Amino acid sequence: QQQVKQSPQSLIVQKGGISIINCAYENTAFDYFPWYQQFPGKGPALLIAIRPDVSEKKEGRFTISFNKSAKQFSLHIMDSQPGDSATYFCAASISAGGTSYGKLTFGQGTILTVHP
Amino acid sequence: KAGVTQTPRYLIKTRGQQVTLSCSPISGHRSVSWYQQTPGQGLQFLFEYFSETQRNKGNFPGRFSGRQFSNSRSEMNVSTLELGDSALYLCASSFSLSTNEKLFFGSGTQLSVL
Repeated sequence: QQQVKQSPQSLIVQKGGISIINCAYENTAFDYFPWYQQFPGKGPALLIAIRPDVSEKKEGRFTISFNKSAKQFSLHIMDSQPGDSATYFCAASISAGGTSYGKLTFGQGTILTVHP
Repeated sequence: KAGVTQTPRYLIKTRGQQVTLSCSPISGHRSVSWYQQTPGQGLQFLFEYFSETQRNKGNFPGRFSGRQFSNSRSEMNVSTLELGDSALYLCASSFSLSTNEKLFFGSGTQLSVL
């Protein structure tokens, strides 16, 4: 079954703190794992993505950690800011042959609130 | 460069009616995919089009259909609307089906079925 489980459902962090959101997947055929950020009234926007051949990817304050054997990946937001308050979605897809890229399986989302 | 444009932004329909939603991808993008977002089910894949051909389809009933035109614009249609079809419908575009390409989402069409 192609499921992606995301936790926690909601997260409250103080400004300057570290926000950590976790995802677990079941289908070992998944080979592309993006994270999306969504603000109210807007569509999701790609934050950062990783493939299973690396264990970590960092872009600015955002880091993805990937554990292939555990079938888990997580998003770390360092020095969290009030402007980071949004809903975050992990996702996964199968890219074999490059024909399934648009077919993302999303986690349920995490509502992040960063208090000033 | 304009982003993904979805029209209308809001739509109110009654049960049994049908609805057509429109999506204009970013200029030059040839791949368009559609997602349904609800508080209970989250984001679920509906279908994906590339060069006017449906490449992938999600687990939705046949009442949900779509198409893509030669200019890459896409429409999705829902017939015989049900209360459970109330959702935010999101369109996303990318340049190609390459896995190196980012997906760009529109702001969605909020459909309410009464």
